[in-house]
Amino acid sequence: QVQLVESGGGVVQPGRSLRLSCAASGFIFSNYDMHWVRQAPGKGLEWVALISYDGSNKYYADSVKGRFTISRDNSKNTLYLQMNSLRPDDTAVYYCAKDGVRGDLVGAEGGYFDYWGQGNLVTVSS
Amino acid sequence: EIVLTQSPGTLSLSPGERATLSCRASQSVSSSHLAWYQQIPGQAPRLLIYGASSRATGIPDRFSGSGSGTGFTLTISGLEPEDFAVYFCQQYGSSPYTFGQGTKLEIK
Repeated sequence: QVQLVESGGGVVQPGRSLRLSCAASGFIFSNYDMHWVRQAPGKGLEWVALISYDGSNKYYADSVKGRFTISRDNSKNTLYLQMNSLRPDDTAVYYCAKDGVRGDLVGAEGGYFDYWGQGNLVTVSS
Repeated sequence: EIVLTQSPGTLSLSPGERATLSCRASQSVSSSHLAWYQQIPGQAPRLLIYGASSRATGIPDRFSGSGSGTGFTLTISGLEPEDFAVYFCQQYGSSPYTFGQGTKLEIK
C-alpha cells in the first residue's frame, strides 16, 4: 500500500532553515509528480510546491517562492522541502502528497492529491 | 489565482440525512479539474472526488460530485457517523492550485 512518511519538522527561530523529508513506498515513485501542502493551526489548506516526476520542473506558491526549494531523489524514493528564511507565518503542519496522475505519461493532467503523509509540524518562533 | 468559496461554513445535520456542499470559483475551472477532500481533526485530508465527479478508490457511493465551470457540489446521501468532518474543495486547472476555506459538517 502507498505510504508517505514525513520527517524533519520541529521548532525553529525566525530567519533560520529547516529541511523536511518524505519517504515514499508502495508505488513507483519516479513515475509521479509530488507536492507539499501545508495547513496553519486551525486554518485551511495551502498548496506550497510541486516537483515533476523526474525533477525537471518545479513550481511554488508565491508565499514561499525564493525561500523554499523542493527536490527529490528517485534512487531513494524521497521527497524534500528545504525551507530557508523561515517566518512565523510559515508555522503549519506540512504534508507531502502524491499526485493522482502519472506524470511520465504524455498529456498527463494531474494536480490533485490521492495520498497524503501524516503531516509534520513546523513551528517558527523565537 | 482562482479563489474558491465554500458554503455553508458549517452544516448541521443528523445521521441519515442528505448533505449538499457548494464550492464556487472566481473564474471557470478548466476541464472540471476540481477535487473534494475530507479531513477528520488530527488527520491528513483524504481524497473523495476528482475531475468534479469521479470517486476516488475506496470511496463509498453515497459520496457524489457534480458541476462545471464556476459551480460545483459535493453531495453525501444518507450521512453516516464517520462522515461528520471538514470538507475542502480544490482546483487544479490552473496554477497556483487553490483550496476553498472548508465546510464543517457537524452532527445536529
